[in-house]
This record gives sequence, structure tokens and C-alpha cells, in this order.
Amino acid sequence: GAVVSQHPSRVICKSGTSVKIECRSLDFQATTMFWYRQFPKQSLMLMATSNEGSKATYEQGVEKDKFLINHASLTLSTLTVTSAHPEDSSFYICSASRPLGSYNEQFFGPGTRLTVL
Amino acid sequence: GESVGLHLPTLSVQEGDNSIINCAYSNSASDYFIWYKQESGKGPQFIIDIRSNMDKRQGQRVTVLLNKTVKHLSLQIAATQPGDSAVYFCAEDPSQGGKLIFGQGTELSVKP
Repeated sequence: GAVVSQHPSRVICKSGTSVKIECRSLDFQATTMFWYRQFPKQSLMLMATSNEGSKATYEQGVEKDKFLINHASLTLSTLTVTSAHPEDSSFYICSASRPLGSYNEQFFGPGTRLTVL
Repeated sequence: GESVGLHLPTLSVQEGDNSIINCAYSNSASDYFIWYKQESGKGPQFIIDIRSNMDKRQGQRVTVLLNKTVKHLSLQIAATQPGDSAVYFCAEDPSQGGKLIFGQGTELSVKP
């Protein structure tokens, strides 16, 4: 099966610093990658859609200058949380998709727990 | 101001019983639906999917039912086991582009 990895799995940082999270599709080339955020006891909320070589598309209410997404290759997307604050503490999950007929299969990473002190 | 946390609906079942988890979806244009299982501290894990041209699909110990008239999905788990304890999310794909909209989730607790 398709495997998606994330690094790091958890990170603790001080308020005001920036944190980069990597998402990799290990055994397939992903046409599109997605970034989600999940607060405790809540559902996954889509933050942005990322296509290789083009600018990410952000969902309403997500600050593109705060959550920088770079999709350098078909197997790697990065999310950088700039000037992180305690309210950015959350579980960040990426997914990678590939075509399956007229639909897209989507495979999720294991998530990254961000804690901002 | 004061923040109010959301609480996941919970379903508690006895080991060996069948579980039914329900989900209402929002977009009548959605034509692809997926159920995911999420264990604590992990990413969502695919369970089963169904396309809108079907009303039922079965997997190993799981069945998904789709009622497009009332925009309702259900996940049935047969002979529920302690390892099934997790949060279950339904998701809909309204645009065939992979951009999923997740439901609020249900926490399943299996009592041995």
C-alpha cells in the first residue's frame, strides 16, 4: 500500500519561532498533497491544497503568510508555521493523493504534534 | 472570551456486538464517500469507501450504507473488537479532486 510519512512526529517550540513540517509520499508520486489541522476532540479541517510546482490554494480563514507551503517535488511538501504562537498548537496532518480512475485515492500521514510554549 | 470545546459523540458497545456509526453529509453534489478510523495520536486510516451510484458496500466485518435522499451514511462494524476502539470519521468528496470534507467524528469505545 501507499505510505506517507511526516517529520517530525512531534515538536515543541518557543513562541515566535518558525517550525517546518515535511510530508513525503514514500512509494508513489503524488499529484496533490493536502494539509489538515486537527484540534483535540475535533475533526480534521483542511488548510490548503498543494500541487507540485505551483502555489498552494488556501482555505478561507487560513493565513497564507503564516502557513507557508512549498511543494518542491511529486514526493515532498513542506508546511512552515511562521512566528508560531500557543494558539497554533495542534495536530497537523498531511495527505497525498494519486489518480484512481475518475477519482483520487488519498493517503494520510501519521501527523505532527506541534506544541508552542 | 471563554472558549467552548466541542465534544465528540461517543458510542459504547460490548465486545462481540455490532456497532453502527452514523454520519450526515452536507453537499448533495458529493459522489464519493470514505470512512476513516483514527486512533489516538495517529493519522486517519482508510476503512471503506462508496460511490454515489451504490447504496451499500461490504468489506471485511464492515458495511457502509449510503442514503442519498437524506444525505446519510452509516458504517456498520460486525462483531466489534477492542481493537476497533477509535474515532471514526466520514468524509465526502464533492469535487472529485480529492479535497475532502470531514464529518465531526464519533468515538467508539468497546468494552471487553
